[in-house]
Amino acid sequence: DTEVTQTPKHLVMGMTNKKSLKCEQHMGHRAMYWYKQKAKKPPELMFVYSYEKLSINESVPSRFSPECPNSSLLNLHLHALQPEDSALYLCASSQDRDRGGETQYFGPGTRLLVL
Amino acid sequence: AQSVSQHNHHVILSEAASLELGCNYSYGGTVNLFWYVQYPGQHLQLLLKYFSGDPLVKGIKGFEAEFIKSKFSFNLRKPSVQWSDTAEYFCAVKAGMDSSYKLIFGSGTRLLVRP
Repeated sequence: DTEVTQTPKHLVMGMTNKKSLKCEQHMGHRAMYWYKQKAKKPPELMFVYSYEKLSINESVPSRFSPECPNSSLLNLHLHALQPEDSALYLCASSQDRDRGGETQYFGPGTRLLVL
Repeated sequence: AQSVSQHNHHVILSEAASLELGCNYSYGGTVNLFWYVQYPGQHLQLLLKYFSGDPLVKGIKGFEAEFIKSKFSFNLRKPSVQWSDTAEYFCAVKAGMDSSYKLIFGSGTRLLVRP
């Protein structure tokens, strides 16, 4: 099973709201990722977690706050977002960040609209 | 800095035509290369990958790609496309074998196959 699940599928929020995106995988993968994909653009890496520790932060604004409660779950907490943050947020996982040759498996994404 | 270039942004083909999508990367070290596909309304799926060994890689759904190190290229091919191949195709590179695991995506190629 190579499934990564994400909830919710769609989210509309105001600029003063606080919301969270959730990602889950049960493949035993130890690396998990958040990407942002704007319309007609490729995915751009935001964060990488390896063994439940944040290892890469691609200079993402602090209004995005990732959290990895355990090896199967990855959250992205959203607060005071801007309309330009509207995008598809993708979660991915891979077996082991430090071993060569692993593949990232992507979830279906959460389509976020900030009003 | 590493980068990936996909020169064909939009490709329109008739069914049964042959397909070749270009992908060039800039990185002088060891690379892992991927092609992902994103069907309309669906999540990113892995088509094929190259890590080492035979530079001609076969993937799912009749796709193949050839890694040519001297040309820094990893072009995707399919001898005969179908209407169901209509999708966006992303080439991606994972550069290096160290602890910085970042997938760098090309800008994508939108393929439309006419029945």
